[in-house]
Amino acid sequence: KQEVTQIPAALSVPEGENLVLNCSFTDSAIYNLQWFRQDPGKGLTSLLLIQSSQREQTSGRLNASLDKSSGRSTLYIAASQPGDSATYLCAVKRTWGSGYALNFGKGTSLLVTP
Amino acid sequence: NAGVMQNPRHLVRRRGQEARLRCSPMKGHSHVYWYRQLPEEGLKFMVYLQKENIIDESGMPKERFSAEFPKEGPSILRIQQVVRGDSAAYFCASSPPWSTGELFFGEGSRLTVL
Repeated sequence: KQEVTQIPAALSVPEGENLVLNCSFTDSAIYNLQWFRQDPGKGLTSLLLIQSSQREQTSGRLNASLDKSSGRSTLYIAASQPGDSATYLCAVKRTWGSGYALNFGKGTSLLVTP
Repeated sequence: NAGVMQNPRHLVRRRGQEARLRCSPMKGHSHVYWYRQLPEEGLKFMVYLQKENIIDESGMPKERFSAEFPKEGPSILRIQQVVRGDSAAYFCASSPPWSTGELFFGEGSRLTVL
């Protein structure tokens, strides 16, 4: 059974700081890994999608890496801003035959203070 | 292109009543997924549907819960005889048939059972 863990559960940083969020998964047989952002009372916004054959993806100030063999992914946020405050979720897609069910971590709650 | 639309956004039911949650996928998307987010828990997969077919319902509780995605109209998640433990946010996601595996989520429906 795939278990997804995110560390830390909560993080508070001053504005402008670079930061790293961690995600680990127990079964390396994954199809892809997706990072989401969730604002309070809102839905999920897809940030980055990394296929199992890829090592990293970048979008603006965000960079996500994937090391399948060690079961780890990191989300790097450069020059953090108060608007980055949200919960960040990591999700892994299984490689079974059909469907796109994702296994989610519980998230890292990020607070960026002005 | 409108995103995934869910309604109602908030629903209050008394124990024993029925709850119906609706999801309209993004235009061109024929795959729909339902996830549940319990307080302090991560998102859990419930069911994956294509038009008129349930592909994977391995995450659905065995009783009281059902889902459909008819040829015409939105996907519906139906919870009969609700109990307090059903109080949660229910998220719908969709993807196109040619997807790389990326899911697009709606804003969620928040069910409160009194």
